[in-house]
Amino acid sequence: QVQLQQSGAELAKPGTSVKLSCKASGYTFTSYYIYWVKQRPGQGLEWIGYIYPGNGGTYYSEKFKGKATFTADTSSSTAYMLLGSLTPEDSAYYFCARRNFAYWGQGTLVTVSS
Amino acid sequence: EIVLTQSPTTMAASPGEKVTITCRASSSVSYMHWFQQKSGTSPKPWIYDTSKLASGVPDRFSGSGSGTSYSLTISSMEAEDAATYYCLQRSSYPWTFGGGTKLELK
Repeated sequence: QVQLQQSGAELAKPGTSVKLSCKASGYTFTSYYIYWVKQRPGQGLEWIGYIYPGNGGTYYSEKFKGKATFTADTSSSTAYMLLGSLTPEDSAYYFCARRNFAYWGQGTLVTVSS
Repeated sequence: EIVLTQSPTTMAASPGEKVTITCRASSSVSYMHWFQQKSGTSPKPWIYDTSKLASGVPDRFSGSGSGTSYSLTISSMEAEDAATYYCLQRSSYPWTFGGGTKLELK
């Protein structure tokens, strides 16, 4: 069965970076887009962008250009999102999801605090 | 950017009551997609391509609409339907979600 297993919670200081992972199983990793979504606690959903692991192609919502960087390791079927120059506004849950948002990871909580 | 406005923001319904949640887009979109999210869990795909139910979704749910106005309807509210529902458009970049409708059981 399709599963997306995300990495554990992160506590980071302002100005630093965190790299979140999303390990896929149960399907051919290179054949499906991986999307990333942000959700601040108690708030709505915000689309960050996507990566196509088959060729590494990416698309970023304008708001997250320079903030998020997507990569994918096909040998381990894992997608990554690097969040840089962290501020308290980056504190949120981050979800990965497969093409068409049909399957979602459990989310990773990032807390940015000094 | 297409802004999606959901209404109501919150609502409570009694068991058996009909529920309608509306999602209005600032510009015309081709399809609307809906997700259900319960507290502490990931969103689940619920309705896609405006009116198609995702796998496992009870048939008391339905979706409709076109252009700038879309809706999700529950024909008869059940306790398990209490959740937050989000609409999503993928017709235009950036993809955008509505602000969510929190549906509670009365």
